[in-house]
Order: sequence, then C-alpha cells, then structure tokens
Amino acid sequence: NAGVTQTPKFQVLKTGQSMTLQCAQDMNHEYMSWYRQDPGMGLRLIHYSVGAGITDQGEVPNGYNVSRSTTEDFPLRLLSAAPSQTSVYFCASSYTEGFGNTIYFGEGSWLTVV
Amino acid sequence: DAKTTQPNSMESNEEEPVHLPCNHSTISGTDYIHWYRQLPSQGPEYVIHGLTSNVNNRMASLAIAEDRKSSTLILHRATLRDAAVYYCILLRYGTSYGKLTFGQGTILTVHP
Repeated sequence: NAGVTQTPKFQVLKTGQSMTLQCAQDMNHEYMSWYRQDPGMGLRLIHYSVGAGITDQGEVPNGYNVSRSTTEDFPLRLLSAAPSQTSVYFCASSYTEGFGNTIYFGEGSWLTVV
Repeated sequence: DAKTTQPNSMESNEEEPVHLPCNHSTISGTDYIHWYRQLPSQGPEYVIHGLTSNVNNRMASLAIAEDRKSSTLILHRATLRDAAVYYCILLRYGTSYGKLTFGQGTILTVHP
C-alpha cells in the first residue's frame, strides 16, 4: 500500500521562484490537506479539501494555492517563494465520515527558500 | 475549538510503562480524543482515539476521565522506537474533516 505519497522530498528554491509540491493518495479518501511545520513547532493547516472540486483555507493560507481536480491528487503551489516559507510540508488524507476520522500523513517535503 | 494542554517533555526508561497526560477541560460532547505521534524526520502517525470509554490497541491504551476533561495515553512497555513527540488532539465528529489543531505536544525521551 502506497498510502500518502509526497514529492519531492527535498527542494531548494530561490526567492521569487514558484513550484508545486505533489501529493497523491490511493485510499479513495475524500479529505486531503496540507500542513507546514516550522522548527520546534506543531503542524499548522495551510489548505484542505473535502472532495474533488472543493477547497478551503486553513490557518496559514497566504502564499499558497491548491486545487483538487481528482480524488487522488492535491498539489500545493507556491506562487512566489519567500524565505518565510522555508519549512517542512506534510500532506494528509482521511475519510470525511466514519468512526474517528483517522488521518494518514505523508513523509514530508523539506523546502528551503534562499 | 476546544484546546488541549500537555507537558512539554517526559522521560522514561526502556521497558517501563509511560503515562502521557492531556487536559482538555473545554471538550464538547462530540469531540473525539485523538493521539498522534511524530518520530524524528517523519510525518505524524495515528496512535489511538476514543470518545468516552477507555480504548486499547496494539500500540497503546487510552484512559479517559469520567468527566472527559482529561485523558492519559499509556505505553505499556516503552521502547527506544517510542521516542517521539506525542500530540493530544480533539476532533469534532462530522465537522472537523480531519482539520487537526496541533499544540506543542509532549517530547518523550526513552533511556536505554
């Protein structure tokens, strides 16, 4: 089982560049989300989606765009990278209904903006 | 959203039990208590969750106070692999859609 797959695992960007972090899940989960984690901190929600064609903002959405054209994929786009976006990014997915809504996370994407 | 309070850090010796506390005094009736842990350089992983009754699984046990204002994650025999940050999180059934609100968590150190 692949679970939640994120690519790339490591990336270095220059300030002002754009890029897309890819996230795919093979569990037919309706819900997908992106978090960022800064050093020594807990995760903070960037954007989330409750199904194909539906997205919404989380706690820290500025500087990021998302779209959800399929159930499986939920890419995160950095429009114009800034050093403040240096962080570790985690994608997550879950069923929206069902007992307890267990959430599954990817292994993370380490992003450095110089 | 209801918040949780956890100690910043705890220590244990290998093969001893560990009790990780969590306070959630403003919990509502439909809030599930979830525990996740994050091993170094990895994404969080699910440990256990419950609503009112104590729960057991292959990883841990969850003891929930009768008034639900606190809970305790119990690792019965700590191993070095259990060294991680443990997060106690409340998820409101049917509305949270997995929107986890992470606090600082408890850093668990396990000594050989």
